[in-house]
Amino acid sequence: EAGVAQSPRYKIIEKRQSVAFWCNPISGHATLYWYQQILGQGPKLLIQFQNNGVVDDSQLPKDRFSAERLKGVDSTLKIQPAKLEDSAVYLCASSLERAKNIQYFGAGTRLSVL
Amino acid sequence: GEDVEQSLFLSVREGDSSVINCTYTDSSSTYLYWYKQEPGAGLQLLTYIFSNMDMKQDQRLTVLLNKKDKHLSLRIADTQTGDSAIYFCAEDGSSNTGKLIFGQGTTLQVKP
Repeated sequence: EAGVAQSPRYKIIEKRQSVAFWCNPISGHATLYWYQQILGQGPKLLIQFQNNGVVDDSQLPKDRFSAERLKGVDSTLKIQPAKLEDSAVYLCASSLERAKNIQYFGAGTRLSVL
Repeated sequence: GEDVEQSLFLSVREGDSSVINCTYTDSSSTYLYWYKQEPGAGLQLLTYIFSNMDMKQDQRLTVLLNKKDKHLSLRIADTQTGDSAIYFCAEDGSSNTGKLIFGQGTTLQVKP
């Protein structure tokens, strides 16, 4: 069974530029999550999708971050414009069911904002 | 509110047991989880425990849950150098959405 795929693995941009990350969850997983992991901290949820609908985006900085999951499968997370404090690893995870929530994580995209 | 705390660092010798501790604040959590993160990789689920259980054993891993004190621990028996990684404790809190709240992670260093 293929795992959660993310691309790119690494991205370096200057502040005020835009960047987009892509995630392909495990086949059949209805729930998809984007987390931000700042160095030395645990992951923090940015947004959660159930199929193509948003379940929780309360921690998403909506003035600069956006995410979509148009067909209920792949998802993209965009930052526009980026700030220095957005430097982090962006992790995508998916799960089959919300009860006994076993989340499977991708390897993440490491973003450096200069 | 929701908060999960872990000690930051643990060093053990190969063959010894490791015990990683975690405290959480949300007593309405249904499941509690332990994840492992190796350098440059995503998080890998190690084990989880249902909140009405006190203990769960899975090969070299033993999870103990003290719900009264909101304390969770992960014991790794016969620790190997391949166990060196960052270990995260997580709870699912009271949101009912499946959102996980993670601790800041414990770095486990295993010396040969």
